[in-house]
Parts: sequence; C-alpha cells; structure tokens
Amino acid sequence: RKEVEQDPGPFNVPEGATVAFNCTYSNSASQSFFWYRQDCRKEPKLLMSVYSSGNEDGRFTAQLNRASQYISLLIRDSKLSDSATYLCVVPTGTASKLTFGTGTRLQVTL
Amino acid sequence: ETGVTQSPTHLIKTRGQQVTLRCSSQSGHNTVSWYQQALGQGPQFIFQYYREEENGRGNFPPRFSGLQFPNYSSELNVNALELDDSALYLCASSFAGTHNSPLHFGNGTRLTVT
Repeated sequence: RKEVEQDPGPFNVPEGATVAFNCTYSNSASQSFFWYRQDCRKEPKLLMSVYSSGNEDGRFTAQLNRASQYISLLIRDSKLSDSATYLCVVPTGTASKLTFGTGTRLQVTL
Repeated sequence: ETGVTQSPTHLIKTRGQQVTLRCSSQSGHNTVSWYQQALGQGPQFIFQYYREEENGRGNFPPRFSGLQFPNYSSELNVNALELDDSALYLCASSFAGTHNSPLHFGNGTRLTVT
C-alpha cells in the first residue's frame, strides 16, 4: 500500500455542486493531517489541518477516519475559483517528514 | 510577517552541471524542508534541516545535498545534474516544537536541465 493515495481525477463539477475527495494512508501512527491546495504552476498552500476527527472552515469540511485510515475533504457550493489540485499530506516515517499524495484535480464549470 | 522566499525563480542548466538553490524561511520558523515536484506529481520529500543539521531524508541520491544557516535560511545543492532533475523545487519552512506543524511554501524554483 502506498504511503498516501489519492484519486487523481479530474473531478468535473458544475458551480454550486458538492464534491468530496478521499485520501488513504498506510501509517496508522500518523496523528495530524493536512489538505493543501495547489493552483497550476504555483506553490501548494495550506487549506486545512486535521488533528482530531474533523475540521470545518466555511464551505470546506475535512474528516478523519482512523479505523479505515482515510481522510476526506468535502467542498460545498463549489465556486469557479475552487478549481485547483488538492493535495493530501500525511506525516510518515520520522516526525519531520510530511508525505504528499499525487493530488486530486478539481475543475468547476459554469 | 515575512513569508518563505526562494531564488532564483527559474533556472536552465546543462546535464552534468551543478546548481545551488536558495531559500529564506518565514520569520519565526526554525525548520526548512525541500521538496521536488515533477509535472503531474505531488511534491517528493528530499530532506529537512533543523538546527543546521539534516533531520530526515527522502529517497534521493547523495548528489542532492543541503545546508542550513544560523538565520535558518537554507541551500539545496544538486551535483552532476541529470535530465530527470528537471522539476519545480519547493522550499517550505515550519516551526519544530509543535508535532507535525504545517509547512509554508515558497514560490519554488523551476529547474530545467537540457
């Protein structure tokens, strides 16, 4: 099993739709997780941190399922500006190493 | 608050040459991590520096090396460049002391090896 796995997509959704991405991880000892957003040819930017069962920030909700070792990101009322690649990030190995998934591409259309 | 800055933004090198990339960490951060991101892939962990010493390394050969300076800035050096080294190199800073604190990235250096 890969350290971090994501469906690469693309997910094509209309404006206003609700979309969810899943990310599975292999290290059961991982304690904290992150979702990053990356626009084309730009650096990743922190979207949300997930330290317990979940976290909500406006239209974005992240949930953690430790038993099944996955985290999810839910985006409600999608906007055109949400079009980007969403990267799942999990600590693996030593505490210093954060491992990124390959990213899930989202395209929101009119 | 000063963010993470990287230089140069773009670089073109020839196979076999050597390159040095530079990074200034965000103010208040004491740890610097370097990542390589190939087109269509997620960032791959190269190594991390804390207190001027390497503090974790990914699956990269020894020709990838680094330094961290007392002001927490950092350099990534790559010797004997190969075509596959063409990628976006990302520097990220964080604060060690909080378990798995999030990374804050610079704009990256886009390296092309011909």
